[in-house]
Amino acid sequence: EVVLTQSPGTLSLSPGERATLSCRASQNIGINSIGWYQQKPGQAPRLLMYGASNRATGIPDRFSGSGSGTDFSLTISRVEPEDFAVFYCQHFTGTFATFGGGTKVEIK
Amino acid sequence: EVRLLESGGGLVQPGDSLRLSCAASGFTFSTYAMTWVRQAPGKGLEWVAAMDGTGAYIYYGDSVKGRFTISRDNSRNTLSLHMSSLRAEDTAVYYCAKNLGPMIAVYDSWGQGSLVTVSS
Repeated sequence: EVVLTQSPGTLSLSPGERATLSCRASQNIGINSIGWYQQKPGQAPRLLMYGASNRATGIPDRFSGSGSGTDFSLTISRVEPEDFAVFYCQHFTGTFATFGGGTKVEIK
Repeated sequence: EVRLLESGGGLVQPGDSLRLSCAASGFTFSTYAMTWVRQAPGKGLEWVAAMDGTGAYIYYGDSVKGRFTISRDNSRNTLSLHMSSLRAEDTAVYYCAKNLGPMIAVYDSWGQGSLVTVSS
């Protein structure tokens, strides 16, 4: 079973700063079987990225993803006030899925 | 517009059973795999179970295997999760989610969630 480790646990930023979130897999998972979600308090998660670098419908282009193999990242080029939330990475296979523990992006 | 609406949550005792439902609309339900994901209070996301559009392929997370059963009724656009032998650690908000597409098990639409509390 693949384990996803997200870092840092918490990222404290001011609006307008760049955010880089990391997701490390315990084994090589290629490039296509990963997604990223944003979750705000009291809300369901929202899909941001899939296949490491594809933005989901309606996601602004300040969000970008990259990586392959075991190391993946989600970047927010300039954090907007509405971006503060918890972010999760996810890996899927044909029969199973797993989530990372999350990174909280908070206002500094 | 895709809409997913969960129902059936509540407070139950350890060992009890409960059935969650998810009413889907706004898309051709029978052509999409569907998934249940849960989130314990203050914790992260946990994948629970998934089923393909036809109901032929079913998968479970290790923590619920043998106790939970996922099913769907494509004539009623409804996804269900029957939970038995419930434990305190099953306490969570349960979300139903729609898969983005064939062979792409990321979830592009989510319900609002249904809270299940297992406590004596």
